[in-house]
Amino acid sequence: SAVISQKPSRDICQRGTSLTIQCQVDSQVTMMFWYRQQPGQSLTLIATANQGSEATYESGFVIDKFPISRPNLTFSTLTVSNMSPEDSSIYLCSVELQAGETQYFGPGTRLLVL
Amino acid sequence: QQQVKQSPQSLIVQKGGISIINCAYENTAFDYFPWYQQFPGKGPALLIAIRPDVSEKKEGRFTISFNKSAKQFSLHIMDSQPGDSATYFCAASKEREYGNKLVFGAGTILRVKS
Repeated sequence: SAVISQKPSRDICQRGTSLTIQCQVDSQVTMMFWYRQQPGQSLTLIATANQGSEATYESGFVIDKFPISRPNLTFSTLTVSNMSPEDSSIYLCSVELQAGETQYFGPGTRLLVL
Repeated sequence: QQQVKQSPQSLIVQKGGISIINCAYENTAFDYFPWYQQFPGKGPALLIAIRPDVSEKKEGRFTISFNKSAKQFSLHIMDSQPGDSATYFCAASKEREYGNKLVFGAGTILRVKS
């Protein structure tokens, strides 16, 4: 398995501002993923973050709104830009340790936008 | 084709009873089926996973049953305990390569009454 940490664990933000969420893993991993989990809902994949290349975004998510960085094999950031109350969610990063195997999730960042 | 349908939405079981959660999928290319357990305020944690070359996998009190022809799989929790009270997500992915995209079910809120 992997130990994954996220910062911040929670935040309350004003609409129109941006928040950058950090994800740190205790070992080098090829693939990192960012998910959104709206209140009481399931997980929706935002994008796949590859080291050394641009992130791959899922339908309905765009780079201008959710820019992602992946500077090395243990770290990634997700920025939620120009926030609105609809962005209030839990944002989760996950990692895949081996090809085609299990994804392990971080504890999540709980975001409330007022 | 990418959907995973999960039922029931919520479940109440008496302590010591059997909890059963069902999932059905459409895409026959799916070949990896994990179950995740999520406690309030935490990220999802892998519980147990199965590939379609076996019909059943058991780990402690948790068993996955898999029916390839019906495109269905289920989680059985034997001797359910109050500590099992959580939200359970089934998921599916395809292809044994990096960057597998997990498709999640809607989740089942399990409450085990003591």
